[in-house]
Amino acid sequence: GAGVSQSPSNKVTEKGKDVELRCDPISGHTALYWYRQRLGQGLEFLIYFQGNSAPDKSGLPSDRFSAERTGESVSTLTIQRTQQEDSAVYLCASSFGENTEAFFGQGTRLTVV
Amino acid sequence: RKEVEQDPGPFNVPEGATVAFNCTYSNSASQSFFWYRQDCRKEPKLLMSVYSSGNEDGRFTAQLNRASQYISLLIRDSKLSDSATYLCVVKRQAGTALIFGKGTTLSVSS
Repeated sequence: GAGVSQSPSNKVTEKGKDVELRCDPISGHTALYWYRQRLGQGLEFLIYFQGNSAPDKSGLPSDRFSAERTGESVSTLTIQRTQQEDSAVYLCASSFGENTEAFFGQGTRLTVV
Repeated sequence: RKEVEQDPGPFNVPEGATVAFNCTYSNSASQSFFWYRQDCRKEPKLLMSVYSSGNEDGRFTAQLNRASQYISLLIRDSKLSDSATYLCVVKRQAGTALIFGKGTTLSVSS
């Protein structure tokens, strides 16, 4: 399909394990965003990639969280030593440029038990 | 002060009603503005961009007041299918992220 693709759609992991979430943006989109949404809460910004510029990491909640993006393609969000408070839906979005609208994937629902 | 603030609601209105949502943002250098819609347990979807001159898309009208740092969304002739959470979104300066308000919940009843 032509939309933003995220995998896995659901992930259950044990506390203390590391997890890796993947996002395939829309082809040609230079900007990529990661957000976290806890149940019943708003979207919490995590990290933003724009082309080859240094990413805006100001939203990452702790050093257990990191993200990478190769060029203008796939991005992975890694959470190390998961905690129960990491349970949430992790949403990825991409946009064509700096000031254009962003399109979301369906998210990865992470449950830490 | 939060960067993007919205009245959480809920707004409970009958079909056919007109309802208005407001949003304020704190960063005067913000560049772009959007309204998104989020249905329960779904991803957010773009409803409309917000332009300085104001813009309309069918039953939906968006307004931006840069001097007051205020954005609004007006929905006319509400439909049952309009029931959702409406998210105000602001783009900071270049090189930074889209920031989402916590959303305003709308429930339209028959």
